[in-house]
Amino acid sequence: QVQLVQSGAEVGKPGASVKLSCRASGYSFTSYYIYWVRQAPGQGLEWMGKVDPRGGSTDYAQTFQGRLTMTRDTSTSTVYMELSSLRSEDTAVYYCARANVPSGSWHFDYWGQGTLVTVSS
Amino acid sequence: DIQMTQSPSTLSASVGDRVTITCRASQSLSGWLAWYQQKPGKAPKLLIYKTSSLESGVPSRFSGSGSETECTLTISSLQPDDFATYYCQQYKSYPWTFGQGTKVEIK
Repeated sequence: QVQLVQSGAEVGKPGASVKLSCRASGYSFTSYYIYWVRQAPGQGLEWMGKVDPRGGSTDYAQTFQGRLTMTRDTSTSTVYMELSSLRSEDTAVYYCARANVPSGSWHFDYWGQGTLVTVSS
Repeated sequence: DIQMTQSPSTLSASVGDRVTITCRASQSLSGWLAWYQQKPGKAPKLLIYKTSSLESGVPSRFSGSGSETECTLTISSLQPDDFATYYCQQYKSYPWTFGQGTKVEIK
């Protein structure tokens, strides 16, 4: 069965970086884009960007330009999301989600369980 | 950026009620709209994609419809398991954007 398993909770200091992982299983890793979405406490969902596991190309929301890096490791079917220059507003649950590219409709059909990132000095 | 305006923000309803949630987009979506259900502490779950296609395994009481800029999610007969927050999301163009969410509460 399709699974996206994310790494555990992180605490980061203001100005530091955090790197989260999302390990995929149960499907052809390079056939589906992986996106990251975050949710601040009590707030809605915010789209961050995507990585194409096949070639590694990325697209990032303008909000995160210069602070966000998404990479992938095809040998372990894992996608990474690194956010730098952390600020308190980055405290949120971060989700990875699979886009159903082969269907032609790029909706998110599977999600990871989420990783809580807390930014605190 | 495409702005998504979702309404209402909160909805109080009883088991068995018919419930409708609306999302309005600032420009045409060409049908590229999805609906997700989220329960506290859990990841969102896909309900509807491409405006009206029901995701496999989702109960048939959920349905979606809409035009280029206005879409609706309807729950034909609200069940106890349906009390949650619902989000629409456009995937027509980057940055993909979500509605603000509708919390469906027990009346």
